[in-house]
Amino acid sequence: AQTVTQSQPEMSVQEAETVTLSCTYDTSESDYYLFWYKQPPSRQMILVIRQEAYKQQNATENRFSVNFQKAAKSFSLKISDSQLGDAAMYFCAYKVPNSGYALNFGKGTSLLVTP
Amino acid sequence: DGGITQSPKYLFRKEGQNVTLSCEQNLNHDAMYWYRQDPGQGLRLIYYSQIVNDFQKGDIAEGYSVSREKKESFPLTVTSAQKNPTAFYLCASSISGWRTNTGELFFGEGSRLTVL
Repeated sequence: AQTVTQSQPEMSVQEAETVTLSCTYDTSESDYYLFWYKQPPSRQMILVIRQEAYKQQNATENRFSVNFQKAAKSFSLKISDSQLGDAAMYFCAYKVPNSGYALNFGKGTSLLVTP
Repeated sequence: DGGITQSPKYLFRKEGQNVTLSCEQNLNHDAMYWYRQDPGQGLRLIYYSQIVNDFQKGDIAEGYSVSREKKESFPLTVTSAQKNPTAFYLCASSISGWRTNTGELFFGEGSRLTVL
């Protein structure tokens, strides 16, 4: 079974600083998608960024960027110029092609942003 | 506006009772999913459906049942056989197909079930 591992249960960053959240995954597939979702206190899941495995270029969305290392099966999220509104649970997810395209999630990293 | 509506947001149940959580979407998505979220456990897949009148078990289907009679609706029943039903339940949907979509899941706001 494919697994997604987030080794940092909690992280803290000061406002305006940069933080990197780690994610590794285990798969035998060569073609797949990776995602980072944000879950603020409202508990609404929000897509932050998406990476397609067949694309070598790292995805970026404004202050959010990823470091995708396919050989190492690593998919870290970098948040630049952190803002108070970035405080949330962050989930790394992998798209499974043989389970109705469901996402397989990691256990999450709780990000605290301090003034 | 298009989206996914889950109801109720909060639900209390006595032990031994079945309860049904509603999930409705107006995004015209073919695929729908139910996830369970527990503290420290991330999201775990309960059931999914790629098309009307068809659904498949996920990783933790025991004690749950679903139906998919309409494209826009995918209700989840938590039965008395579910040993630890207290949790936060999330419904999601997506466009079907591998290369025909972005892969993104769209989520509802969730339902919190508490067994008394």
